[in-house]
This record gives sequence, structure tokens and C-alpha cells, in this order.
Amino acid sequence: ILNVEQSPQSLHVQEGDSTNFTCSFPSSNFYALHWYRWETAKSPEALFVMTLNGDEKKKGRISATLNTKEGYSYLYIKGSQPEDSATYLCAFGPSGNTPLVFGKGTRLSVIA
Amino acid sequence: EAGVAQSPRYKIIEKRQSVAFWCNPISGHATLYWYQQILGQGPKLLIQFQNNGVVDDSQLPKDRFSAERLKGVDSTLKIQPAKLEDSAVYLCASAPGAGLGEQYFGPGTRLTVT
Repeated sequence: ILNVEQSPQSLHVQEGDSTNFTCSFPSSNFYALHWYRWETAKSPEALFVMTLNGDEKKKGRISATLNTKEGYSYLYIKGSQPEDSATYLCAFGPSGNTPLVFGKGTRLSVIA
Repeated sequence: EAGVAQSPRYKIIEKRQSVAFWCNPISGHATLYWYQQILGQGPKLLIQFQNNGVVDDSQLPKDRFSAERLKGVDSTLKIQPAKLEDSAVYLCASAPGAGLGEQYFGPGTRLTVT
């Protein structure tokens, strides 16, 4: 059974603070790593799909890095805003023919 | 472009009753997924369709769950009979093709079994 771990489980930050969270996955086989943002009462929305070791992706104030050899990805949010409050899910794919395995998510609350 | 549509958004039923969820994926998307997300857990794949064929249903409890995508477009997921442990959010997602590219999710159906 593949295990995808996300930490922390939840965190509260002040508006304007920068923050980061971690997704750990098995390093033995790797195909893709996804990050999704899930706001309450809305649909999960894809942030990044990462496939190459050393990949760094950025979308506005949010960025992500990937280390497939050691099995982790970081998601960074610079200058957090209240609208960043959401659950951030990562999902790991060991091959193109097996389904994604999701972590439990990190619940972020940004306090104005 | 319209997103993935799901209905109903919320459903409350008693155990041993039946329930059905509906999903309409993004037009032209060949792949459709149903996920179950129990509170405190990550989404778990129940079934994956490629057009109207099943690609993976290894985690679908087939004694009570069934799903179909008859015309390769919209899909229904049924639970019959429901158990307390089926209380969860049921997410539908679609993607243009096979493989592990970005998935587009619907808003989910929150099921409560009492």
C-alpha cells in the first residue's frame, strides 16, 4: 500500500506571512506529483502537475518544488492572503497506469 | 468552458437505503473518475472509466457499489444498500486522456448515512 504523507495536518498563519508544507511519497518509483487546492464548498482545483526531479513551478504567490530521489515536494505560499485559506492536497502517481494516491491534505487558515 | 457538474450536492439517507449520484464531465474528456473522501482522509479512487469502459475498479466495494458510464459521457454511482461508513464526500473528476495529467474535479456530493 502506497503511503503519501502531508505535514502539517493544519496550520494557522497571519495575513502577509509566508508558509510552506510538505508532501512525502515513496521514492522507489515515480511518475507524477500533483498539488490541488480545495476551498470549502468548491471543487478541488489543480495547482501543479510535476514530473521531473528538481522541477520548480510557480503560479502567482504559490510555488512548488520536487525531489523524486528523496521522495518529497514542498508547496510555498508567499504573503498569505485570506483567500488562500483551503485544504492543499498532494497526490502521487507511481506509474502512468496506476491511480493517483492522495495525501490527507494540509488545512491552511489565513487570519486577517 | 463548463466545469464538471455533480448532483445532488448533499444527501441524507438512512442505512440500508439506496442512493445514486450523477456526474457530467467536461465535454470531450475521455476519462472519468469517482473518488470517495471520508472525513480526515484523502480522496480514494473508487472507479476510473476511459470512455465507457472500466479501467480500474479495484477499490470499489462491488457488493454494494456500482457505477456506469453507458454512452461515454455522464456517469452515475450507486450505493445499495448504504452503510454508516459510506458517509463521505463523493467526488467526480474528468481528464482529457489517460495517464496522470491534471484532473478536473466537480464540487462533490456530501452523503450522510444515519
